[in-house]
Amino acid sequence: EVQLVQSGAEVKKPGESLKISCKGSGYSFSNYWIAWVRQMPGKGLEWMGIVYPGYSDITYNPSFQGQVTISADRSISTAYLRWGSLKASDTAIYYCARGGSSTSYGFSSYDLWGQGTLVTVSS
Amino acid sequence: EIVMTQSPATLSVSPGERATLSCRASQSVGSNLAWYQQKPGQAPRLLIHGASTRATGIPARFSGSGSGTEFTLTISSLQSEDFAVYYCQQYNNWPATFGQGTKVVIK
Repeated sequence: EVQLVQSGAEVKKPGESLKISCKGSGYSFSNYWIAWVRQMPGKGLEWMGIVYPGYSDITYNPSFQGQVTISADRSISTAYLRWGSLKASDTAIYYCARGGSSTSYGFSSYDLWGQGTLVTVSS
Repeated sequence: EIVMTQSPATLSVSPGERATLSCRASQSVGSNLAWYQQKPGQAPRLLIHGASTRATGIPARFSGSGSGTEFTLTISSLQSEDFAVYYCQQYNNWPATFGQGTKVVIK
């Protein structure tokens, strides 16, 4: 089965670090872009950035640049989203989503989504 | 950044009726426009890409049209499972951007 499976919900305190994951299976993970999308409580979708696991090409939304780190390990078909110091405003559901192949250069729609990871940051 | 504006914010429709959702881009995105459906507690699902191409497994009652800055998603005859929030997304420029969503509710 073609799927993206994300790590489980997290509850953290402000200032703590966190890394969540997104594991692809059933397709050639290295050959498709993976995007991260934020959805704050009761709000819409925000594109955070994108990674091409084949050669770890990464582009960030300027709104999130410096706030998070996106990475991927193609050897284990997993993409990551990391925070060095969480804030209460990072409370949200985070989705990973599969984009196009290398020839799309990352400019594509997202046809496969993970189930989402709820991150709650509270003192 | 390209701003995507969806209208209306909420659309009240009776089952079996047609629903028409609009999406406007602040500058041309060509045909690099997708539509997604999101139900409560679920991840978004791709409905339309390339402005008018249905994604795999999407029923024919969903259709997309438009190019440049004006786009439309039409649901020809609303079924009970179609009541959800719909988002448009442009992928012509980085950062990719989403509209704020249109919530389709039962009339």
